[in-house]
Amino acid sequence: EAQVTQNPRYLITVTGKKLTVTCSQNMNHEYMSWYRQDPGLGLRQIYYSMNVEVTDKGDVPEGYKVSRKEKRNFPLILESPSPNQTSLYFCASSFGYQPQHFGDGTRLSIL
Amino acid sequence: QKEVEQDPGPLSVPEGAIVSLNCTYSNSAFQYFMWYRQYSRKGPELLMYTYSSGNKEDGRFTAQVDKSSKYISLFIRDSQPSDSATYLCAMIGTSGSRLTFGEGTQLTVNP
Repeated sequence: EAQVTQNPRYLITVTGKKLTVTCSQNMNHEYMSWYRQDPGLGLRQIYYSMNVEVTDKGDVPEGYKVSRKEKRNFPLILESPSPNQTSLYFCASSFGYQPQHFGDGTRLSIL
Repeated sequence: QKEVEQDPGPLSVPEGAIVSLNCTYSNSAFQYFMWYRQYSRKGPELLMYTYSSGNKEDGRFTAQVDKSSKYISLFIRDSQPSDSATYLCAMIGTSGSRLTFGEGTQLTVNP
């Protein structure tokens, strides 16, 4: 089954404690991206990757890091999380301009 | 001003009604247009994808694009309670990577 898998699905943590949200896809897609979804603001792109070792900033990259060492994986790293990063996060993948397949989301609460 | 404007609703209709969902956009570089459906606690899933002005039909769903007016619509015929979800419009330009979403419209179809 084609899917994008995110882990964890839920996480409550404290300010400043580094965390990583993993994302893996099994469709051999070149393109992967991370979004955050907030009430009243919709989905906003954080980072994207056109292929292995190629990443670039989206609309709201501050406070986040990513890496793309393998085609199937695209982890999102919060080096020093802060409460304003409390949000619902989605990973997505696609072939080029094609519509993106989304994971089921990771709900982060940072206290 | 947001690049993509979408009325967040909520919108409540009786079962069997025709539903009209709309988005306007300001960036003329947008060339590909999508509608996603998002159920509670799930990731967005693609409903419709089009890149030309005019209508595209898929079952009970019709996507309409008017590039001259920078306006897109999604029509749902014979709406069902299972259509209750948040509907997100999204668009992307030919330069590739940046998918821009509307805020989403929350739809409830009442039996």
